[in-house]
Amino acid sequence: KQEVTQIPAALSVPEGENLVLNCSFTDSAIYNLQWFRQDPGKGLTSLLLIQSSQREQTSGRLNASLDKSSGRSTLYIAASQPGDSATYLCASSSSSNTGKLIFGQGTTLQVKP
Amino acid sequence: DGGITQSPKYLFRKEGQNVTLSCEQNLNHDAMYWYRQDPGQGLRLIYYSQIVNDFQKGDIAEGYSVSREKKESFPLTVTSAQKNPTAFYLCASSLGRGHYGYTFGSGTRLTVV
Repeated sequence: KQEVTQIPAALSVPEGENLVLNCSFTDSAIYNLQWFRQDPGKGLTSLLLIQSSQREQTSGRLNASLDKSSGRSTLYIAASQPGDSATYLCASSSSSNTGKLIFGQGTTLQVKP
Repeated sequence: DGGITQSPKYLFRKEGQNVTLSCEQNLNHDAMYWYRQDPGQGLRLIYYSQIVNDFQKGDIAEGYSVSREKKESFPLTVTSAQKNPTAFYLCASSLGRGHYGYTFGSGTRLTVV
């Protein structure tokens, strides 16, 4: 059974710092790995999707990597801003044909001005 | 604009009542999903549907029911059999069973009074 873990659970950094959020998964037979952002009381916003055949994806100041062999994904945020403060969730999609996502518990990020 | 609409935003349920949460999408997505989110926890899958008139139980389906009579709509009923329904409920849809990413609604917060 796939398990997804995110460490740390919470992170506080000063504005401008580069940071890395970690996501690990137990079953390497994934179809893709997705990163989402959630603001308090809101739904999820998709940030990046990495297909199993890819190693990384970039969007603006965000870069996500995928290493299936080690069961790890990282989300790199460059030059963090207070507006980046939110909870970041990673989720893996099984290689079976259901499209179900297994979520980690999230990392809550606070960027201080 | 294409997207997913969940209503209501807040819902209060009395003991013994059934309540229905609405989820409508105009993205022409085949697959739709219901997730439950509890404080400090990741999202857990309740039900999913990959095609009209067909749906499957997720990991925590007990006390919930769904229907998929139209491609655009996937309502979730929280029955009186669900003993701990207070949570944040999120609906999502995807093209191709999640292999091309998910779109989430803004959520419904259900509280038992």
